[in-house]
Amino acid sequence: ETGVTQTPRHLVMGMTNKKSLKCEQHLGHNAMYWYKQSAKKPLELMFVYSLEERVENNSVPSRFSPECPNSSHLFLHLHTLQPEDSALYLCASSQGEGQKNTEAFFGQGTRLTVV
Amino acid sequence: AQSVTQLDSQVPVFEEAPVELRCNYSSSVSVYLFWYVQYPNQGLQLLLKYLSGSTLVKGINGFEAEFNKSQTSFHLRKPSVHISDTAEYFCAVSERDDKIIFGKGTRLHILP
Repeated sequence: ETGVTQTPRHLVMGMTNKKSLKCEQHLGHNAMYWYKQSAKKPLELMFVYSLEERVENNSVPSRFSPECPNSSHLFLHLHTLQPEDSALYLCASSQGEGQKNTEAFFGQGTRLTVV
Repeated sequence: AQSVTQLDSQVPVFEEAPVELRCNYSSSVSVYLFWYVQYPNQGLQLLLKYLSGSTLVKGINGFEAEFNKSQTSFHLRKPSVHISDTAEYFCAVSERDDKIIFGKGTRLHILP
């Protein structure tokens, strides 16, 4: 148990569906991240939120929409996804601005399959 | 720009044998270095980190890593592996005041 909880653990959705991934951290951290982990590819940083403001968006398609209502919660809203978006989506949190100087604590991930 | 290279995508090792997982980084400034482990169907868990001080860093589960500035390396070692060490291992680097960059990972296979 890392203190970062992701739900759901598994999600299967059609290309026309709309769904959301949820991440919650109980560590008092002020920075949260979304990563995408595809087979045989390095971890891809998608979004970074620091103090509830988005500080990084790594050229992620608009069909992925993050939301950070407070420092403990992070969402990833999904709509009209493509099969190539199937991956493990990992949420992480850290103490400090952005990812400066500290390690990240990861959730267990949501395994997303787009059909 | 910083980058991380893990040369071995897979490493098979017999149980109770020693193992070394290689990691090299490139950066023009001082860095922080990390090793994470990912067990099947899990997120990433921090094994150990180097921020400053002693170049030999000890982590959880009997792992250790040595920071070598001249060779820009941060190789991970364990003197005797166990079947439970089967996982994927990620090296990561962070320039001070910048984001963390992960390597592609090395899958450790423990052979009985």
